[in-house]
Amino acid sequence: SAVISQKPSRDICQRGTSLTIQCQVDSQVTMMFWYRQQPGQSLTLIATANQGSEATYESGFVIDKFPISRPNLTFSTLTVSNMSPEDSSIYLCSVVSNLRETQYFGPGTRLLVL
Amino acid sequence: GENVEQHPSTLSVQEGDSAVIKCTYSDSASNYFPWYKQELGKRPQLIIDIRSNVGEKKDQRIAVTLNKTAKHFSLHITETQPEDSAVYFCAASTLSGYALNFGKGTSLLVTP
Repeated sequence: SAVISQKPSRDICQRGTSLTIQCQVDSQVTMMFWYRQQPGQSLTLIATANQGSEATYESGFVIDKFPISRPNLTFSTLTVSNMSPEDSSIYLCSVVSNLRETQYFGPGTRLLVL
Repeated sequence: GENVEQHPSTLSVQEGDSAVIKCTYSDSASNYFPWYKQELGKRPQLIIDIRSNVGEKKDQRIAVTLNKTAKHFSLHITETQPEDSAVYFCAASTLSGYALNFGKGTSLLVTP
């Protein structure tokens, strides 16, 4: 399976600021996604990161709050903008490789907003 | 959109017993059903998946069954071990989209 890394692994931020999370894969992948996992909860899809075009957002998530970039087939970023304590979560990227349809997750970024 | 229901939310079994977790889905177009195991502080790890052209799949102590007519699928773990203790998530998607809709998770505790 692809090796997925995320930066930062964790951060503590002040409300009103923004944080950009990076997701790097060691091989080209077909699909990249961003999920949110609130404490003790399940995973919720934020958006599909599309290479070279705007991301596709799920209901309840908007580009102004969660801008996403995917400049190539191995890298994506998610920005959490104008943060509030309600944004405290684990943010995970996931990928579907070119060869298999299986979806693998990155290690996640633990975000705490004070 | 797709709605995935998962039961039970918690499950406690004794070592060596079997554990069964059940999920239902609402979108008849869903055709891919993975199961993930998430240990505390770790990322979700795929443990088994099934596609809608298959009714059952087994991998050692883990098996998944799918009933397309009833729109439900189940995870079966036999001969449970303490290291099976974790949160298990079912999910559903249409392969064309790949995006996963997750159930709420089952916290499994295997006691020695």
